[in-house]
Amino acid sequence: DAKTTQPPSMDCAEGRAANLPCNHSTISGNEYVYWYRQIHSQGPQYIIHGLKNNETNEMASLIITEDRKSSTLILPHATLRDTAVYYCIVRVANTGTASKLTFGTGTRLQVTL
Amino acid sequence: NAGVMQNPRHLVRRRGQEARLRCSPMKGHSHVYWYRQLPEEGLKFMVYLQKENIIDESGMPKERFSAEFPKEGPSILRIQQVVRGDSAAYFCASSSLGPSSYNEQFFGPGTRLTVL
Repeated sequence: DAKTTQPPSMDCAEGRAANLPCNHSTISGNEYVYWYRQIHSQGPQYIIHGLKNNETNEMASLIITEDRKSSTLILPHATLRDTAVYYCIVRVANTGTASKLTFGTGTRLQVTL
Repeated sequence: NAGVMQNPRHLVRRRGQEARLRCSPMKGHSHVYWYRQLPEEGLKFMVYLQKENIIDESGMPKERFSAEFPKEGPSILRIQQVVRGDSAAYFCASSSLGPSSYNEQFFGPGTRLTVL
């Protein structure tokens, strides 16, 4: 699976959009980009995933660059409950060992008043 | 629809004892994954199981650790002769699809193992 690079930490004011970047310059054509988050020692929570098109769900939006070498997770209106470590993961699809998630160090997002 | 359930939530063992961690996947999910998070570290994959089969155990320590997912009942992660270095949070995840790009994994709350 391709390696990802994320900033170690970010701050965001409550109510503002939080934009979390991720570099995955070695991503291959059959790899998807997944985002998970872990709120203070809880189990990780799935947020969103995408291949090459931008994606949006009730939690967030995922913007993937045209060359797919980087992506941005957007939380449109961050709240204090969004304070967490956010993990960007790329995974190969449709292979026997594709199912495991390889977590990096992630970005620690601190949402402040 | 209940989520992934893990029990116990907290487990204390003395060195040399056995630890058994249980995971009940979400309803309809037949794929289970175990991850370990050591204090102040990231999550590390341990093992991936389908019903009655171990698919990928590349992250499992070679000794003392074993996992199963029987046809009936929860998945069990078993640690024999625990040592202090086994103290960690153990998370279970489940999914409903096989190896595919839409294989979102849903995590349980974890079991925090403390070895005295």
